[in-house]
Parts: sequence; structure tokens; C-alpha cells
Amino acid sequence: QKEVEQNSGPLSVPEGAIASLNCTYSDRGSQSFFWYRQYSGKSPELIMSIYSNGDKEDGRFTAQLNKASQYVSLLIRDSQPSDSATYLCAVNITPGKAAGNKLTFGGGTRVLVKP
Amino acid sequence: EADIYQTPRYLVIGTGKKITLECSQTMGHDKMYWYQQDPGMELHLIHYSYGVNSTEKGDLSSESTVSRIRTEHFPLTLESARPSHTSQYLCASNWGHEQFFGPGTRLTVL
Repeated sequence: QKEVEQNSGPLSVPEGAIASLNCTYSDRGSQSFFWYRQYSGKSPELIMSIYSNGDKEDGRFTAQLNKASQYVSLLIRDSQPSDSATYLCAVNITPGKAAGNKLTFGGGTRVLVKP
Repeated sequence: EADIYQTPRYLVIGTGKKITLECSQTMGHDKMYWYQQDPGMELHLIHYSYGVNSTEKGDLSSESTVSRIRTEHFPLTLESARPSHTSQYLCASNWGHEQFFGPGTRLTVL
């Protein structure tokens, strides 16, 4: 089992709709969770960070964290063609362990927003 | 956020050459990282550093080496480039809990 898992997609979403992306992780003690957006050929760009259970909203993005179920999700409201990219989930596994502050990335979900 | 600089942005080089990929940041961040990513594939951590004179190997075995003599710089070196080293190399640093990436270096070894 991979430490951070995502559906590779592609997730096809009509323009204006909500894109829903999911990510599960294996380390129950994980504390910090991040979503990155990566356009083809570019470097990842941090779009959301979440540390506590519940929802966190930033513009059209909402991150949701459920530590008991070990999943974190990202909602993109009013999807635009410019949202077409690969979205990477990253988890900072338990601080204090040998891995320290390293991030473990999922394989990414490719999102296609169709006009 | 962090301003992270990587040079060169693109490099095409012949087999057997020694190369150094530069990474620098101006924010005084202690934690820096090197990732390798093939097109359409996952990010793989190859090296990281938690401060000057501290370097560790990452999750993916790599023939490259790194050094951290100054806080601002975290260069990656390949002593003898091979076609299997063709990839994108991404440098990152931490601002608190958040990790930010540089623009990357796309390396092609012929």
C-alpha cells in the first residue's frame, strides 16, 4: 500500500461545475496536509494547506480533512479551463519520526475542465 | 512564500559530462529538498538538507550528490551524466510547515 494514494484520473469536469478530488494516507499520526497544482512541464504550486479536521476555504478551493478516516479532499468550485492540471496531495508524516519534515506525495489526479 | 532560484532551467549535455544544478533561496530557510520527476510521473525525493553541513539521501536512490556549505545554496552534482539521468529536477524549501518549489531544471543527457 502506498503511503499517499490518489486516483490518477483524468477527472473530467464541465466548466462551472465542482471538481472533487480525494486523497488517502496510511500514517495515522500525520499532522500536515497539502494540495499542490502542477501544470504540464511546470513545478508544483502550493494551493492549500490544512492541519485540523474540518473544512478550510480559500477562494474557489476548499480542503477537507478527516483524520479519523485518513483522507483529505479538495473541492474546486466553479471550475475553469485554467484549472486543468494535475493536483498533488502531500502529507507531512508524523513529526519526530526519522522522516522528519519530509513530504510524501501522492501520484496526482489529472483534472480536465471542458468548456 | 519563498523565492527559489534554479539554474540552468534547461540543459542538454553529452554522456559522461559532470554537471551541477544550482538551487538557491534568499529567505534563509534551513530545510531544502531535491526531487526528480519524469514527465507525467510521480515526484521522488532524492536529497534533503535540514541545515548547513546536513545532507541526507531521499526515498529514491540517486547517483547524484549534494552539498550544503551555505544556507542559501543547495547544489546537486552528477559526476558522469548518463541518458538515464534525463529528467526534471526540482528544488524546494520550507517556509514553516509549507514547502515551495523552484521552477525546475529540465536535464537531457544525450
